[in-house]
Amino acid sequence: DTGVSQNPRHKITKRGQNVTFRCDPISEHNRLYWYRQTLGQGPEFLTYFQNEAQLEKSRLLSDRFSAERPKGSFSTLEIQRTEQGDSAMYLCASSFSGNPDTQYFGPGTRLTVL
Amino acid sequence: KQEVTQIPAALSVPEGENLVLNCSFTDSAIYNLQWFRQDPGKGLTSLLLIQSSQREQTSGRLNASLDKSSGRSTLYIAASQPGDSATYLCAVRENNAGNMLTFGGGTRLMVKP
Repeated sequence: DTGVSQNPRHKITKRGQNVTFRCDPISEHNRLYWYRQTLGQGPEFLTYFQNEAQLEKSRLLSDRFSAERPKGSFSTLEIQRTEQGDSAMYLCASSFSGNPDTQYFGPGTRLTVL
Repeated sequence: KQEVTQIPAALSVPEGENLVLNCSFTDSAIYNLQWFRQDPGKGLTSLLLIQSSQREQTSGRLNASLDKSSGRSTLYIAASQPGDSATYLCAVRENNAGNMLTFGGGTRLMVKP
């Protein structure tokens, strides 16, 4: 296994369109996280899954955002009616619920909303 | 609300220098602290993780320390190399905030040959 993978790596869309990103975690990891990073800032937490259950959601995750992890493996993050302020790098991370529960990050999906 | 601050925001040093990056956090009730490296346009690579009960961790030329009571961590890089040029991020996981990480804004490091 080569680590966390994310697709697509880049997405350019027009304002108002819907977009969906995919994250494939490290295979034995039961925890999966989504973060958003804007230019020059550190990542901000969006949501977290343990297996297929979505256990935490940030207030940053407006009702236009939805995340799923239907079989406890890969996850998708959908943004409906995109806005220019959604332009950012969307990072996925995974971990195993042991000690020390280190989070391993994927390469990210860079979203540009025109 | 936990706030994480990294100073300096940017740093430029000649090759071979030893350097220290600083991270401070406002709520000392943390579970652990991680240091990450991020290359331009790329994801994050975990460098070191320090549990709340630990004082420091070392990996090669990197040494991270943690002083939980004062809300501070430092990342020491010995004998810096141009390949160390990247953004370094620290992140804390709080005791009562589930599994989310709260990140600082990062320090952009440039090591000149």
